[in-house]
Amino acid sequence: GAVVSQHPSRVICKSGTSVKIECRSLDFQATTMFWYRQFPKQSLMLMATSNEGSKATYEQGVEKDKFLINHASLTLSTLTVTSAHPEDSSFYICSARDSGRGGIYEQYFGPGTRLTVT
Amino acid sequence: AQSVTQLDSQVPVFEEAPVELRCNYSSSVSVYLFWYVQYPNQGLQLLLKYLSGSTLVKGINGFEAEFNKSQTSFHLRKPSVHISDTAEYFCAVSDEYTGNQFYFGTGTSLTVIP
Repeated sequence: GAVVSQHPSRVICKSGTSVKIECRSLDFQATTMFWYRQFPKQSLMLMATSNEGSKATYEQGVEKDKFLINHASLTLSTLTVTSAHPEDSSFYICSARDSGRGGIYEQYFGPGTRLTVT
Repeated sequence: AQSVTQLDSQVPVFEEAPVELRCNYSSSVSVYLFWYVQYPNQGLQLLLKYLSGSTLVKGINGFEAEFNKSQTSFHLRKPSVHISDTAEYFCAVSDEYTGNQFYFGTGTSLTVIP
């Protein structure tokens, strides 16, 4: 149980184009999902918190107009990188919290999406 | 605010030797602590977690960690490592006041030498 999937696992796009990454909770409902970014050999940096049915909460320094987040259902959140540039190349990881549990419990992480912007 | 420090960025160890990966945190409130493992180009897999209760926590793959409140530490240990344990290990902290937010350490790269 508690499986989170991401699609695609790898994507290469040209500079100036937009890329959408999907994050799905497969066997549980998640009112809250999280998007992280990880640079090579570095830790995960929280980009934003995605809340079902409402606007995402972005961390300081993250451009909300560039990284569009939509949490349209209890099992799906999407991250769209708009007008991508080479510096956006990174490993993007999503996680989800099981809405069925109260309090603070672990986050279930997706396998990540490797974005390369050429 | 929370913070997590993983003092060792790289830890080489011979196969079948014991290993300890250190994690210290700073917090003024009760915390929840986690260790995750990440294999190359993969997401994070939960090794173990401390929410409350016994301070010695056992996880998967033979790993265990001990919560030490006085030293604000949550070190990860394994008595005998395998080649397959080579990976990146992340310590993370959360608490009931920060809500869902996890704070991650910078990671420790464990390399098991045959």
